[in-house]
Amino acid sequence: EVQLVQSGAEVKKPGESLKISCKGSGYSFTNYWIGWVRQMPGKGLEWMGIISPGNSDTRYSPSFQGQVTISADKSISTAYLQWSSLKASDTAMYYCVRRPGRYFDYWGQGTLVTVSS
Amino acid sequence: EIVLTQSPGTLSLSPGEGATLSCRASQSVSSTYLAWYQQKPGQAPRLLIYDASSRATGIPDRFSGSGSGTDFTLTISRLEPEDFAVYYCQQYDSSLYTFGQGTKLEIK
Repeated sequence: EVQLVQSGAEVKKPGESLKISCKGSGYSFTNYWIGWVRQMPGKGLEWMGIISPGNSDTRYSPSFQGQVTISADKSISTAYLQWSSLKASDTAMYYCVRRPGRYFDYWGQGTLVTVSS
Repeated sequence: EIVLTQSPGTLSLSPGEGATLSCRASQSVSSTYLAWYQQKPGQAPRLLIYDASSRATGIPDRFSGSGSGTDFTLTISRLEPEDFAVYYCQQYDSSLYTFGQGTKLEIK
């Protein structure tokens, strides 16, 4: 069974750093790109970026370029999304997604990130 | 960047009725690169339709997708109580993915 299991909810202060994770199982992790999608409270879905775990080729949405870093460790089938300096506006649910074509077939359960002083 | 506009914003219907949700793109989208998702409160989105008209695994045949170019449609033939949710379209173009703003399908 294909699964994407994300790390737990985080509560951080503005200016702090954060790295959340997404572990894939039930399939060959390096054969599928993994993306990240943001959903701010009460709002829609926003694509942030995507990585090929096999060679770490990464693409970012222009809206998120320079704001976050996406990485992956294929040895442990895990992708990451990280911030160096969080802002209150980063408060959102973050989903990792698997990309088999040009769409997303499996979604993680989501990681809620709350940034508040 | 291609912008997707979904309409209506909210659709109020009764179980058993049919639903038609629209997704319009600011530029032509390859039909291969248009997908639809369903999201229920407190849950992650779920893939319904990919490549504009192919149903994802386990999706009932009352869900169907159609369209090409700039106009795409998700049709639900006979609404079940579990179909009331928010629906998003999504496209891919030039290494970028974008979602529509969503259509909320609510019980009338």
